[in-house]
Amino acid sequence: GAVVSQHPSWVICKSGTSVKIECRSLDFQATTMFWYRQFPKQSLMLMATSNEGSKATYEQGVEKDKFLINHASLTLSTLTVTSAHPEDSSFYICSVRLLTDTQYFGPGTRLTVL
Amino acid sequence: AQTVTQSQPEMSVQEAETVTLSCTYDTSENNYYLFWYKQPPSRQMILVIRQEAYKQQNATENRFSVNFQKAAKSFSLKISDSQLGDTAMYFCAFTTTTSGTYKYIFGTGTRLKVLA
Repeated sequence: GAVVSQHPSWVICKSGTSVKIECRSLDFQATTMFWYRQFPKQSLMLMATSNEGSKATYEQGVEKDKFLINHASLTLSTLTVTSAHPEDSSFYICSVRLLTDTQYFGPGTRLTVL
Repeated sequence: AQTVTQSQPEMSVQEAETVTLSCTYDTSENNYYLFWYKQPPSRQMILVIRQEAYKQQNATENRFSVNFQKAAKSFSLKISDSQLGDTAMYFCAFTTTTSGTYKYIFGTGTRLKVLA
């Protein structure tokens, strides 16, 4: 499988500020990465599909201008939560899809907006 | 629309016993893939097992095996010789080749607790 890292693992920020979360594929080049959001005791909700060198594809109901995704290289995708508010507090998880159908997940980032 | 259903929100099993988690799905596709992921308290999603729909043989990975019934659209996970470390949330997931992106559809999860 692939080894995926996320940074930071936990971030606390003030309302109105922006937060950037990094997702790195450490041992594989990934043309496709996914970003998920998970609320406590719930399943993963796909936010967007991130393709290297092109614009991300957002799921219905996800605000593109609020959740900016940049897949600048084959090993790095970033999610920026702009003008964060308390309702954006959540657990954010990225995954990497290799050449096959299988996704490998990062350890997640806990975002708390005060 | 494609859906994945996990009808057991919570389950418990005694250590060393066997437990089966159920998952059903709905699709009109013929080529697809099914997965079980484990999410322990650390919240790291870990791939447990993968099944290709065109393979009739059930996938196995050590103590983990699946019962894949394609006609019934059922994909259950059997955990044998349960260990305390198996305590986790288990998610069933489905993806197809037709979308091109291989997006996953997840079930709502089953919380498994292994009792000492």
